[in-house]
Amino acid sequence: AQRVTQPEKLLSVFKGAPVELKCNYSYSGSPELFWYVQYSRQRLQLLLRHISRESIKGFTADLNKGETSFHLKKPFAQEEDSAMYYCALSGQAGTALIFGKGTTLSVSS
Amino acid sequence: KAGVTQTPRYLIKTRGQQVTLSCSPISGHRSVSWYQQTPGQGLQFLFEYFSETQRNKGNFPGRFSGRQFSNSRSEMNVSTLELGDSALYLCASSPGSNTLNYGYTFGSGTRLTVV
Repeated sequence: AQRVTQPEKLLSVFKGAPVELKCNYSYSGSPELFWYVQYSRQRLQLLLRHISRESIKGFTADLNKGETSFHLKKPFAQEEDSAMYYCALSGQAGTALIFGKGTTLSVSS
Repeated sequence: KAGVTQTPRYLIKTRGQQVTLSCSPISGHRSVSWYQQTPGQGLQFLFEYFSETQRNKGNFPGRFSGRQFSNSRSEMNVSTLELGDSALYLCASSPGSNTLNYGYTFGSGTRLTVV
């Protein structure tokens, strides 16, 4: 069965500090992993996907199959990064996209 | 290009009633998924439709049902409403036959309050 775990409900950091939002998954095959973000009063939106190996708004995430993790990182947090972040997993083609419970990131000055 | 549209935005219903929520995906998208979002449980998967067929189903009771029309618009229905059904219901659409390489585009949701 697919499962996504985000161990932290809330992560509070100061502006300019590094950020790491943790995501661990459980899936027997080769997963597709995503990070979604929901800013205050905005729609949930795709931040990045592991297959693209891209950096969006300074965020990166590396899939570690050995540790079954897909942590989201940013070297220097900005106040505008404050939002709810969801890690999501999709299994083989045609399977559902399953989300973790989310982590609220709060960046203060 | 219009985004994912969900109607209505807000609903207040009484326990025992039933409710129907509507979702219009992005033009050309054939996959529609529904999620229930609550503060305690986050985003929980309800079901996914692709080309009018339910392709995946989450772990919700049979009171929750859905369907997809030939124009890809989707509806979900909740019968015999319970207080615990109060939540934000999100619809998401995807262009292809799977989520690979695409991800989902979400609507703004329908806020359902059961009293």
